[in-house]
Amino acid sequence: AQSVSQHNHHVILSEAASLELGCNYSYGGTVNLFWYVQYPGQHLQLLLKYFSGDPLVKGIKGFEAEFIKSKFSFNLRKPSVQWSDTAEYFCAVNAPNTGKLIFGQGTTLQVKP
Amino acid sequence: SAVISQKPSRDICQRGTSLTIQCQVDSQVTMMFWYRQQPGQSLTLIATANQGSEATYESGFVIDKFPISRPNLTFSTLTVSNMSPEDSSIYLCSVRLAGNEQFFGPGTRLTVL
Repeated sequence: AQSVSQHNHHVILSEAASLELGCNYSYGGTVNLFWYVQYPGQHLQLLLKYFSGDPLVKGIKGFEAEFIKSKFSFNLRKPSVQWSDTAEYFCAVNAPNTGKLIFGQGTTLQVKP
Repeated sequence: SAVISQKPSRDICQRGTSLTIQCQVDSQVTMMFWYRQQPGQSLTLIATANQGSEATYESGFVIDKFPISRPNLTFSTLTVSNMSPEDSSIYLCSVRLAGNEQFFGPGTRLTVL
């Protein structure tokens, strides 16, 4: 069965610090990978996605993620975080033919001004 | 993208009662999903609801507890039956569009006393 593991459950950073959130998945076949963000009191929103091609993908608000197939990883990065990045971040994976998204446990990011 | 609405946005219910949650999408979609997000936890897929067929439930979820209807391509309902406090969660519907992206509704926050 597919599973997704996020290593950091709660991250606290100061503004302008760099961010990297780890995500590993277990699935042997072709996968689609996603990062979702949930700002306080708001909907779950798609931050970025990887389907194929360039393993370095860029998303909204300056976020990027790198797919490393050999490591089954899809880590999220941002060079300089802002207070407005305070949110819950979820990594998710699906097998293209099922459409089912499997989510990681989520990482709470708190950015101090 | 898709605009998804859910009703009710929140409810407080008594133990032993049932609640039906509605999900409306602004476009026709084949694949709809229902997720649960328990307090402080990640999203767990309850079932896949495709129009014209019975819902497919994930391990740990059964039709008697979570009956689902999918009468057309823009609407679905999830009923939480015979509720207990353990059912207190946020329930979200999502849709899968062409391109394999999933969009989520705002969620229904359920509290069972």
